[in-house]
Amino acid sequence: DAKTTQPTSMDCAEGRAANLPCNHSTISGNEYVYWYRQIHSQGPQYIIHGLKNNETNEMASLIITEDRKSSTLILPHATLRDTAVYYCIVRVGRGSTLGRLYFGRGTQLTVWP
Amino acid sequence: EAGVAQSPRYKIIEKRQSVAFWCNPISGHATLYWYQQILGQGPKLLIQFQNNGVVDDSQLPKDRFSAERLKGVDSTLKIQPAKLEDSAVYLCASSSIRATLYGYTFGSGTRLTVV
Repeated sequence: DAKTTQPTSMDCAEGRAANLPCNHSTISGNEYVYWYRQIHSQGPQYIIHGLKNNETNEMASLIITEDRKSSTLILPHATLRDTAVYYCIVRVGRGSTLGRLYFGRGTQLTVWP
Repeated sequence: EAGVAQSPRYKIIEKRQSVAFWCNPISGHATLYWYQQILGQGPKLLIQFQNNGVVDDSQLPKDRFSAERLKGVDSTLKIQPAKLEDSAVYLCASSSIRATLYGYTFGSGTRLTVV
């Protein structure tokens, strides 16, 4: 059961930063924010996750607001290969439901030349 | 490491026929999931295995869908009989217990078309 709200679509110029927003106003204290993306005809791919601190890895940065009710995924220098559907997911990090991901419809990001 | 393998890649069947999908998870991954993705929607969890036991199958339409994971490695998902609304991509994913917090790895899926 998706508990996030994302824009249906966004676009971005190649080489520019892509900032993808996500609202998760009902997030609980033990729920993590995860981001996955799905390139056409492939399975979803893990990007990054965080609890309350900002996170950065080789793919992206995740900025979580102090009240944790929203977050932004940042692709610092978007390329054409970043064109995909991006899913923001809140997920319990502990307990019997550990591991389950509930996807919404995501944001279709189109990177144009 | 090798990824999650799924076969077949594509399948076309007539309604009321049966079909089976196969998944080989990443070696050593104890947890395996099957998802159904209808065109234009996000993936929907059907069933979760921990080793060879079912952890959650609450979203699996048990009147026509079945899944097993014998020996806690490979898994098969079966539909019998298929309906038109079963047309979708069926995704398999796996994770290790230690790495579960870091998300899990999906296969490329099997695209099923029921005509």
